[in-house]
Formats: sequence, structure tokens, C-alpha cells
Amino acid sequence: DTGVSQDPRHKITKRGQNVTFRCDPISEHNRLYWYRQTLGQGPEFLTYFQNEAQLEKSRLLSDRFSAERPKGSFSTLEIQRTEQGDSAMYLCASSTTSGGNEQFFGPGTRLTVL
Amino acid sequence: EDQVTQSPEALRLQEGESSSLNCSYTVSGLRGLFWYRQDPGKGPEFLFTLYSAGEEKEKERLKATLTKKESFLHITAPKPEDSATYLCAVQVRDYKLSFGAGTTVTVRA
Repeated sequence: DTGVSQDPRHKITKRGQNVTFRCDPISEHNRLYWYRQTLGQGPEFLTYFQNEAQLEKSRLLSDRFSAERPKGSFSTLEIQRTEQGDSAMYLCASSTTSGGNEQFFGPGTRLTVL
Repeated sequence: EDQVTQSPEALRLQEGESSSLNCSYTVSGLRGLFWYRQDPGKGPEFLFTLYSAGEEKEKERLKATLTKKESFLHITAPKPEDSATYLCAVQVRDYKLSFGAGTTVTVRA
């Protein structure tokens, strides 16, 4: 399968714990995006990488959130001191700088904070 | 701020009953309008990109059109497997997509 992959698919944690999610983009894609989606809403942009550089962060991304893409390949999204309001689906997408602007999404990581 | 509004929120159709979904947008400098399909518990699946008013694209029973202020997704003779949430998104700068809340389509056999 050459699509975007995310791990884990589901995560249940207790309030105050730290969690980390991983995203592996489509191999030739140099752009990687993180979005968050809550029930009944469309995805909301969190942050964006071009290669290893993080070029944009949404105001939704509080200082408890950090994202990295150390070698311009896979990316991690860490949430520290989780809160119940962090419960959501975290989606990763990737795209190329050539051709169209289509972003291809992974299956998402469903986070539940108890 | 970019605004994307989708209507209706939910649509229940009988198999074979054609209908249209609306996506209206208020943006400055549209680079592209995107349609995605999302099944429950899964990530959005790319359907179409439209770049300029008057453009149309088709895929099986789906046809997307674009004007200067809105886009329509037409579903012709839908089947139960077309049941999903359809998301519309706009791209203004070279990266971020701004999504609407989606239209949930249910097609009954």
C-alpha cells in the first residue's frame, strides 16, 4: 500500500498524559500536513511541513502540541498534558510541489482522553 | 477569514434519485476548490479539484461544477455505496485547506 499511513489508529489516554502519533506520507511527497477533526465538523488545519521545515502553525496548535519531521520523511505529533478537549481524530495528509495541489489523507488517529 | 458553508447538512435519497450538494465560499484569491468523500471512521478520500469558474469534472455518478461563489456536487442515480459524508475545501495559499462541515448523504435501496 503506497498511501499515507498513521499509527496508532486509536489511542485512549487519561487526562494529563502525553501522547505521540506518527505519520508516514506517500514516499515522493515533500509536503506534510496535520489536521484535527471533531464530530460533525470538517478537518481543521494544524500545521504544515515542506521537507523538514515546519512552515506554518495554526493558532489551534497550543504550546502543548509539537510536531516534527526530522528527516523530511515521517512526522510525529506530540500532545503533552492531554485535556478532554483534545479528543478528536488527528489526520495527516501529504502532497507534492509539482502537479496539482491535491492533498491525500491517511486513515487518522482517533484520540480519546478520559 | 476564509469561509466555507455546505448545504444541506444531511441528505436522504432513494436509490436512483439524483440530487445536488452545495458548497458556497468566501475567500480572497482562490487557488483551488476540492471535494472529498469521507466514510465513518476513515480519512477523507480525494475526489476532485476545480481551479476556475466554469470548470466541471466527473467521476462515475459524481459531477462537480464551480462558479465564482459556489460549487455543486451532483450525484446522478445514486447507489447505496454512495452513502458518505462529502466535504468541500478551499485553498487560498499554497498549502492549507479550509473545510466546510460536510453533507452526510444516505442512499436507501
